[in-house]
Amino acid sequence: QKEVEQDPGPLSVPEGAIVSLNCTYSNSAFQYFMWYRQYSRKGPELLMYTYSSGNKEDGRFTAQVDKSSKYISLFIRDSQPSDSATYLCATAYSGGGADGLTFGKGTHLIIQP
Amino acid sequence: KAGVTQTPRYLIKTRGQQVTLSCSPISGHRSVSWYQQTPGQGLQFLFEYFSETQRNKGNFPGRFSGRQFSNSRSEMNVSTLELGDSALYLCASSLTGQHSGNTIYFGEGSWLTVV
Repeated sequence: QKEVEQDPGPLSVPEGAIVSLNCTYSNSAFQYFMWYRQYSRKGPELLMYTYSSGNKEDGRFTAQVDKSSKYISLFIRDSQPSDSATYLCATAYSGGGADGLTFGKGTHLIIQP
Repeated sequence: KAGVTQTPRYLIKTRGQQVTLSCSPISGHRSVSWYQQTPGQGLQFLFEYFSETQRNKGNFPGRFSGRQFSNSRSEMNVSTLELGDSALYLCASSLTGQHSGNTIYFGEGSWLTVV
């Protein structure tokens, strides 16, 4: 079992819809949670960064972490065609990065105009 | 402020050859990490350098190596290339390391094709 699981999609939704992207993880030692957006043939771009459980909002994006169920989510409101990309969740240990960031394989999101 | 710069962006190599990839981190960042991204395995951690020292290493064979210079620029080398080494190699930059509390920025990557 991989440490971070993510549905690869593709997930296709109409423009303006609310998008929900999710990951599950197995290692309770993870304390930091990130979401990256990656456009085709580009490097990942950091979208959201959260610590432990809770919500964090930035514009149209909301990141949510539930450590009790080892579940992390990214919500995109008022989705735009420019949001079409692959979204990667990533986790990190507290106090050390001996294994680097642990990534999910990414969800391919398509926003239909 | 310039981002993370990786060169070359695209390259094609033959099996058995070796390749060197270069990364210039964001100015002021002292930590550089390398990742391999493939469709099958996703993003996998290769190694991290901080102040010219390898601090952490992922689960890759010894054919993969790297180094960091005094100006924080980093290179990674893959020797005796295999077809399975075809991937996007990503460099990540952060102030003091990819541990808790640091924001990590990625470059555009170097696309390596081994034929």
